[in-house]
Amino acid sequence: DAKTTQPNSMESNEEEPVHLPCNHSTISGTDYIHWYRQLPSQGPEYVIHGLTSNVNNRMASLAIAEDRKSSTLILHRATLRDAAVYYCILRPLTQGGSEKLVFGKGTKLTVNP
Amino acid sequence: NAGVMQNPRHLVRRRGQEARLRCSPMKGHSHVYWYRQLPEEGLKFMVYLQKENIIDESGMPKERFSAEFPKEGPSILRIQQVVRGDSAAYFCASSPGTSGRARNEQFFGPGTRLTVL
Repeated sequence: DAKTTQPNSMESNEEEPVHLPCNHSTISGTDYIHWYRQLPSQGPEYVIHGLTSNVNNRMASLAIAEDRKSSTLILHRATLRDAAVYYCILRPLTQGGSEKLVFGKGTKLTVNP
Repeated sequence: NAGVMQNPRHLVRRRGQEARLRCSPMKGHSHVYWYRQLPEEGLKFMVYLQKENIIDESGMPKERFSAEFPKEGPSILRIQQVVRGDSAAYFCASSPGTSGRARNEQFFGPGTRLTVL
């Protein structure tokens, strides 16, 4: 399984943008980059995913480096409800393979009021 | 559309008893995954099932643990003769399938927190 590296923790202030980095230098050409988050005492929640181009949805934006060896999850205006552990996960696009998600330690985001 | 449902939300068992955890996937979803989160640790994949079939059980402990996803009814994760080390949060996720965009997202339930006394 391809590995990702994320900072253990980050802090942000409410209503400010947050940039959560992820390094994945061993990514292969068909690996999708996924982000999930886990709020306290809840199950993980899908945030966003992409392959090569930057992606936007109602929750966040995903900026992918041109060489795909790193990516950044962007929360445009952090709220207290965004305090969670954020996981960057690589998912190979292979037919017939396991669909499992491989979670690392993630980044624990603290949002200050 | 109701999300993934898990029950019970909390389960207390004494050492040696059996634990049965249930997961009802989202409507229309035919793929189910089980993950375990030990205290202060990350989420670990256990097993991936489709209706009536186990596709990947590479994360399942070799003994005492089993999973099924019958044609009718919820998916069941069964732990026999529980030990204190089984105390953890068990999460179920579901997805609609592997075709196109649909395969890319897993929807998680709220989890079952198992405590073994």
